[in-house]
Amino acid sequence: GNSVTQMEGPVTLSEEAFLTINCTYTATGYPSLFWYVQYPGEGLQLLLKATKADDKGSNKGFEATYRKETTSFHLEKGSVQVSDSAVYFCALSDRSQGGSEKLVFGKGTKLTVNP
Amino acid sequence: DGGITQSPKYLFRKEGQNVTLSCEQNLNHDAMYWYRQDPGQGLRLIYYSQIVNDFQKGDIAEGYSVSREKKESFPLTVTSAQKNPTAFYLCASSADRGPYNEQFFGPGTRLTVL
Repeated sequence: GNSVTQMEGPVTLSEEAFLTINCTYTATGYPSLFWYVQYPGEGLQLLLKATKADDKGSNKGFEATYRKETTSFHLEKGSVQVSDSAVYFCALSDRSQGGSEKLVFGKGTKLTVNP
Repeated sequence: DGGITQSPKYLFRKEGQNVTLSCEQNLNHDAMYWYRQDPGQGLRLIYYSQIVNDFQKGDIAEGYSVSREKKESFPLTVTSAQKNPTAFYLCASSADRGPYNEQFFGPGTRLTVL
């Protein structure tokens, strides 16, 4: 079945450091890939997405490129801020085989950015 | 403003009681979902519904029930059969059209069993 594996946290960085959160996936068909962010005590917000191979999603300084050859969708940001402290979830949605319309999530990576 | 609302934000329940969590959306979305979130385990799908009066079990449906009588509403009942109901519950919806399934989430309900 479909699955998502993301690096375990927690990740602690200083402000302005470079961020990478690794995400790899296993899927039949051609999944769409997402990064969601969850701030403390809140629901999830879509951060960025990519729907086909080699697409790059970007938002708020975050980027991720859909790499079919390595089945990866790593999240990066060049200079993190304290306000980026949150839990980040990688997810996939696979509709190409006519299956049910579900998202499969990774377990989440907690990021803490210190001033 | 369009969005998803969940109520209440915090809910306390005694063991053996059923409790219903509310989820309403005004995005005109066809599909709605309920997830359970536990520390270190990410999100797990409880139930989902693609159209009114129809719903399917997710990965952890035991001890839960849902209804979808209106497009806008998808309440979740946590029954006394759910052995470990203390968790954060998230509702989501999607348009269920197009090439990908972008889901929009509500703010969540934190359920604590006393």
